[in-house]
Amino acid sequence: KQEVTQIPAALSVPEGENLVLNCSFTDSAIYNLQWFRQDPGKGLTSLLLIQSSQREQTSGRLNASLDKSSGRSTLYIAASQPGDSATYLCAARIPYGNNRLAFGKGNQVVVIP
Amino acid sequence: GAVVSQHPSWVICKSGTSVKIECRSLDFQATTMFWYRQFPKQSLMLMATSNEGSKATYEQGVEKDKFLINHASLTLSTLTVTSAHPEDSSFYICSVGRGGNQPQHFGDGTRLSIL
Repeated sequence: KQEVTQIPAALSVPEGENLVLNCSFTDSAIYNLQWFRQDPGKGLTSLLLIQSSQREQTSGRLNASLDKSSGRSTLYIAASQPGDSATYLCAARIPYGNNRLAFGKGNQVVVIP
Repeated sequence: GAVVSQHPSWVICKSGTSVKIECRSLDFQATTMFWYRQFPKQSLMLMATSNEGSKATYEQGVEKDKFLINHASLTLSTLTVTSAHPEDSSFYICSVGRGGNQPQHFGDGTRLSIL
């Protein structure tokens, strides 16, 4: 069974600092890994998708890396802004059964102005 | 623009009421949709996989008679919480994806509060 862990569960950083969010998964057999953002009481917004054959993906200030052999992914957010305050979830796509997503519990981020 | 539309966004109702939540795929025809449940400060837990034209596949521990899923068309899946009780209060979210290596897209979720 795929288990996804995100550390730290919560963190606060001053505006302008870079954010580093960690995600680990127990089974390296994945289709892809997807990072989401969730604002309080809202649904999920897809940020980045990394295929199992890729090492990283970038979009603006966001960069996500994937090391499938060690079961790790990292989301970097450069020059954090107060608007980046949210919960960030990572999810591994399982390549069997119904191709479901296995989610971590999230990194709750507060960027202090 | 939005790929998935979920309605309603918020429901408050009395215990014993049945509540229907709709999930629509706006951009493409989806043979499969997923229904999740999320408790405060917890991750998303998959409840069931909705399959167009056939029965839904429920995860272990999810009562299929309690959470009725209908996927009658390629763009619409509905989740009905039957005879809801306070312990059913939660955040319910659906997702849609083209499958395989494509990203999953999520609805805005439905906050269900049972009094």
